[in-house]
Amino acid sequence: EAGVAQSPRYKIIEKRQSVAFWCNPISGHATLYWYQQILGQGPKLLIQFQNNGVVDDSQLPKDRFSAERLKGVDSTLKIQPAKLEDSAVYLCASSWDRGNTGELFFGEGSRLTVL
Amino acid sequence: AQSVTQLGSHVSVSEGALVLLRCNYSSSVPPYLFWYVQYPNQGLQLLLKYTSAATLVKGINGFEAEFKKSETSFHLTKPSAHMSDAAEYFCAVKGSSNTGKLIFGQGTTLQVKP
Repeated sequence: EAGVAQSPRYKIIEKRQSVAFWCNPISGHATLYWYQQILGQGPKLLIQFQNNGVVDDSQLPKDRFSAERLKGVDSTLKIQPAKLEDSAVYLCASSWDRGNTGELFFGEGSRLTVL
Repeated sequence: AQSVTQLGSHVSVSEGALVLLRCNYSSSVPPYLFWYVQYPNQGLQLLLKYTSAATLVKGINGFEAEFKKSETSFHLTKPSAHMSDAAEYFCAVKGSSNTGKLIFGQGTTLQVKP
């Protein structure tokens, strides 16, 4: 079974530039999550999708971050314009059970460095 | 609101020694608790989970954790550390809603010395 795929693995940009990350969840997983992991901290949920609908985006900085999951499968997370404090690893995860058991399957992450 | 606190950002043990990683939680409802492991340059992987069944939970790679309601703790242990156990470990609690949101602790880096 293929795992959660993310790209790119690494990205370096200057502040005020834009960046986009892509995620393809495990086949059949209806729930998709984007987490932000800042160095030295635990992952923090940015947004959760159930199919192509948003379930929770309460911690997404909506003035600069956006995410979509148009066909209920893969998803894109965009940052525009980026700030220095956005330097982090962006983790995509998926689950099969609407998250009821809390068991998530994570991708390897996309590491963003903002200079 | 749910939260977890991991005591000690770095733990160092010798190979073959006991591993003990500490986690305390705060929850207004019976919690679902998890330990995830993150090897270098990899995503998080579920190690074990507590979902209100047995209080002693066994996971992969010889790890186990015990849920103690009186102490609001969910410490992770392994009797004998192996070099391959070196990684970052995260304790997490499921949010009170049915969204599946996980709230993670800040993580503990485990170093295993030969």
